[in-house]
Amino acid sequence: ETGVTQSPTHLIKTRGQQVTLRCSSQSGHNTVSWYQQALGQGPQFIFQYYREEENGRGNFPPRFSGLQFPNYSSELNVNALELDDSALYLCASSRSGGAEDTQYFGPGTRLTVL
Amino acid sequence: KQEVTQIPAALSVPEGENLVLNCSFTDSAIYNLQWFRQDPGKGLTSLLLIQSSQREQTSGRLNASLDKSSGRSTLYIAASQPGDSATYLCAVRPPGQKLVFGQGTRLTINP
Repeated sequence: ETGVTQSPTHLIKTRGQQVTLRCSSQSGHNTVSWYQQALGQGPQFIFQYYREEENGRGNFPPRFSGLQFPNYSSELNVNALELDDSALYLCASSRSGGAEDTQYFGPGTRLTVL
Repeated sequence: KQEVTQIPAALSVPEGENLVLNCSFTDSAIYNLQWFRQDPGKGLTSLLLIQSSQREQTSGRLNASLDKSSGRSTLYIAASQPGDSATYLCAVRPPGQKLVFGQGTRLTINP
């Protein structure tokens, strides 16, 4: 069984640029959640996708957007990058997104905005 | 708004000691509480998931308890080892919401 994978592992961008991060969910999982983790902080929920539809969003501006594909992999897009967007971006997959589900996390993408 | 607090922020103990990590949350209306481990610069590994109807869960040397009414959870680690060094995060699942995390406790086990 393949776990959750993310690409790229590291990324450096400059202010104002756009970035796309990718996540492949664990086999058999149809729900993907994205989190932002600033240095020394706990992860903050960005949004969740369930069967290609957004299913909940945290307190992040519209320049954070996402997609989920028919194979349940997902993308996180961030436009007009700001210095504060520098963080570890984690995705997690689960079987159904239900409250009882365990989320399985990927290794993360470290984004640095200069 | 649900808030999760973990104290202490950092802890350093000698190898072999038993230790307790603390987690508190402001709203007792939760579906479950989960403890995670995070190695530096890495993703999260789920350690234990406690449903709201449960009082504790055990896995090997780890034991997590949940007291919903007081908004507290503890993670007990027995006979600590250097390999246990990591950041430990707790997270709660409020109704209609996704995981809400604490800031974590950075644990160092000294050989």
